[in-house]
Amino acid sequence: EDKVVQSPLSLVVHEGDTVTLNCSYEVTNFRSLLWYKQEKKAPTFLFMLTSSGIEKKSGRLSSILDKKELSSILNITATQTGDSAIYLCAVIHIIQGAQKLVFGQGTRLTINP
Amino acid sequence: DSGVTQTPKHLITATGQRVTLRCSPRSGDLSVYWYQQSLDQGLQFLIQYYNGEERAKGNILERFSAQQFPDLHSELNLSSLELGDSALYFCASSQRWGQETQYFGPGTRLLVL
Repeated sequence: EDKVVQSPLSLVVHEGDTVTLNCSYEVTNFRSLLWYKQEKKAPTFLFMLTSSGIEKKSGRLSSILDKKELSSILNITATQTGDSAIYLCAVIHIIQGAQKLVFGQGTRLTINP
Repeated sequence: DSGVTQTPKHLITATGQRVTLRCSPRSGDLSVYWYQQSLDQGLQFLIQYYNGEERAKGNILERFSAQQFPDLHSELNLSSLELGDSALYFCASSQRWGQETQYFGPGTRLLVL
């Protein structure tokens, strides 16, 4: 069965800390891995990763895909209280010519001042 | 603001009823995706349409149906509603399908009493 597993499920750190969120997947015909941030509303897109070993960076956030290990990490440096959210990992894969998107259960990140 | 619009924002109805949720994708996007997010199930992919045709099906119940119209807006129809259908329903859109990033609308919160 296709699945995406994120860890940890919940993480509480202090402002200024660096965090690493993990996502591992088992799917057929993998195409891409996406990271989203969800606060109290709809998910917002962070990164799309297709190639292994190439880091994508946006400000204090960065992410990298390891296709050999079937996993990805999302790093957040110098965390701020505004980084508190649920971070979702999703994998796009192809089944019978159609795209499917499978989400992980999310990591709830809380940044305390 | 992702550019994806959904109506209504909130919907309260009774068991056994039928409702229609509406989604307008970002300008230029041909693909529309529907998701259900409940507290116990996380984010679940329901169905995808591309340029008016169904492209992929996820965990969509037989009581649910969707369509995409020539102007590319989409409707999700939920019938014979049950208490367990109470959830946040998101629509997302992307330019094409395959490895495209999806942008989420604000969601419709459905409460079945």
